[in-house]
Amino acid sequence: AQSVAQPEDQVNVAEGNPLTVKCTYSVSGNPYLFWYVQYPNRGLQFLLKYITGDNLVKGSYGFEAEFNKSQTSFHLKKPSALVSDSALYFCAVREVDSSYKLIFGSGTRLLVRP
Amino acid sequence: KAGVTQTPRYLIKTRGQQVTLSCSPISGHRSVSWYQQTPGQGLQFLFEYFSETQRNKGNFPGRFSGRQFSNSRSEMNVSTLELGDSALYLCASSLASQVHEQYFGPGTRLTVT
Repeated sequence: AQSVAQPEDQVNVAEGNPLTVKCTYSVSGNPYLFWYVQYPNRGLQFLLKYITGDNLVKGSYGFEAEFNKSQTSFHLKKPSALVSDSALYFCAVREVDSSYKLIFGSGTRLLVRP
Repeated sequence: KAGVTQTPRYLIKTRGQQVTLSCSPISGHRSVSWYQQTPGQGLQFLFEYFSETQRNKGNFPGRFSGRQFSNSRSEMNVSTLELGDSALYLCASSLASQVHEQYFGPGTRLTVT
């Protein structure tokens, strides 16, 4: 069965510092991987995805993520955090040629302090 | 392009009633998925429709149902509401294939009393 783990409920970082939000996944085949962000009282906004090719994926708002097949990870990163990045972040996986549904992690709250 | 729209945004119902939620996808998107978001269970997949056909279904009781119309608009229905159905219901649309990301609407906040 497909699953996604986000081991940290919350990540705290100072503005201007780099940030990492962790995600590991489990699928029996190859994965399609996605990151979404949710602001209060809003739906989810798409940030980036890994489909195939370069393991480093660049997305919206300066975010990037690195796909590591051996570690089954897809960590979200940003070189310099902004206070406005404070939100709830979700990692999601879809198994190639298996299903169209997205399996989401439990979410990680990012708090960037000024 | 206009984004995914969901109506109503907020809804209060009592136990035993039924409710219908509506979703209009982004123009040109033929796939519509529904998710339930709660603090305890997180984001859980309900079902996905493509060209008026249910293509995937999550592990929810039969009280939860949906449909898609020829214009790709979708509705979901929950019958015999329970307190535990209180949640944010999110609709997402995408182009047809697995590689495409889903774009989410703002959600409908359902409160069951």
